[in-house]
Amino acid sequence: ETGVTQTPRHLVMGMTNKKSLKCEQHLGHNAMYWYKQSAKKPLELMFVYNFKEQTENNSVPSRFSPECPNSSHLFLHLHTLQPEDSALYLCASSQFGQSSYNEQFFGPGTRLTVL
Amino acid sequence: AQSVTQLDSHVSVSEGTPVLLRCNYSSSYSPSLFWYVQHPNKGLQLLLKYTSAATLVKGINGFEAEFKKSETSFHLTKPSAHMSDAAEYFCVVTFSTGANNLFFGTGTRLTVIP
Repeated sequence: ETGVTQTPRHLVMGMTNKKSLKCEQHLGHNAMYWYKQSAKKPLELMFVYNFKEQTENNSVPSRFSPECPNSSHLFLHLHTLQPEDSALYLCASSQFGQSSYNEQFFGPGTRLTVL
Repeated sequence: AQSVTQLDSHVSVSEGTPVLLRCNYSSSYSPSLFWYVQHPNKGLQLLLKYTSAATLVKGINGFEAEFKKSETSFHLTKPSAHMSDAAEYFCVVTFSTGANNLFFGTGTRLTVIP
């Protein structure tokens, strides 16, 4: 595997379900990100992890819970979601540091539908 | 305040004709600028980037962009559109090294007419 992979690619869940999205990067990067992409809206940054530490949480509801066990893996745990949470969830990674320009590499995304 | 504006939400061109997707930014700092492309149901792929070297940047698939500081612009161009260029294009800015914060434009949907 190369680049950034995400599983599953598609997910349908009910509002009472609990599920997790997985992201893995094979680029040796030290920063990982979750984005939400909804129709007709700008890309929304949800969470940022630098060196496995969460450094940003952009007022995301607690029904979204991120986990970064190491610098290569990132999870997004989902529970009691709402229909408006249906979107494409994108994971990205980058090499964070003083000499980098934070070029981010994106995975293919997970298309989430909440019924 | 830092921001990025994509002036057109939708651009339609005929196959074989030039493409121009416009992007303007506002910032008090020297920016780094990127163009990403997103094909349907896919993630974002980096097309090209400007990081204070040459102002004319060449990217993949025949795209290029020119950084114009006086106009605070970073427009994306291609001499001849191909059907496979139909996608959503995002202009992205970051304003400092060593920072995670990217600012995304709202995107421009490019349609290529056969």
